[in-house]
Amino acid sequence: NAGVMQNPRHLVRRRGQEARLRCSPMKGHSHVYWYRQLPEEGLKFMVYLQKENIIDESGMPKERFSAEFPKEGPSILRIQQVVRGDSAAYFCASSPRAGFQETQYFGPGTRLLVL
Amino acid sequence: QKEVEQDPGPLSVPEGAIVSLNCTYSNSAFQYFMWYRQYSRKGPELLMYTYSSGNKEDGRFTAQVDKSSKYISLFIRDSQPSDSATYLCAMMGQGGSEKLVFGKGTKLTVNP
Repeated sequence: NAGVMQNPRHLVRRRGQEARLRCSPMKGHSHVYWYRQLPEEGLKFMVYLQKENIIDESGMPKERFSAEFPKEGPSILRIQQVVRGDSAAYFCASSPRAGFQETQYFGPGTRLLVL
Repeated sequence: QKEVEQDPGPLSVPEGAIVSLNCTYSNSAFQYFMWYRQYSRKGPELLMYTYSSGNKEDGRFTAQVDKSSKYISLFIRDSQPSDSATYLCAMMGQGGSEKLVFGKGTKLTVNP
C-alpha cells in the first residue's frame, strides 16, 4: 500500500522559470492538501483540493501560484516565474474523506531551489 | 501573536530520559490536536492526535491537551536515539476548513 508520492524530490530552477510539483495521494484518498515549509519555519497551509475542485486556497500567494487536482492523474502545484523566496520544501498530504477528524498523511516533499 | 507557538529548541537529552514537548495556541476554535514527527529531509509522520481536552497514551508517548490554558504537551518516556527528530504540533478547528496549523517544530536529539 504505497503512501503519498511526490515528484520530483528535488527541483532546481532559475529565477523566472516555471516549477511543477506533482502529488499522487494514497490509494482511495480523494482529498489533497499542499503545505510549504520555509527554512527554519513550520509548515504553512497553502491549498486544499478535492477531485476537480479547489476547496480552500486561503494560504496560496495571490500571484504566480496555482493548483489543480484533475479527475485523472496527480495533483499539480504550479509556480510561475519563480523567485528566490520560493525556495522551500513543498509537502503534499492526503486524506480519504473530508472532516476535521480525518488524518492527513504526508508525502516526502519536493525541495525546490531557485538559483 | 502567532496562532501556535512552539519552542524550536534544540533539545538534547540522554537516552532513557523523559522528554516534554509543548505548544501554546491562541485560537479557541481549535478542537483537534496532533503531534507529528519529522526526520531530517523527510515528510511529517503522524504520532498522536487528540480531540478536545484530555490525555491519550500510546506506548512510550503521552499527549495532553488543556484547552482552558490553550496548552498541549507530548511526553516521551524512556527516550531512544531513534526518537531524535523534529516534533511538530498541529491543530485544526471546526470552522469547516480542513487545514492544519503547525508550530515551528522542536528539534530533539537523544544521546546514547
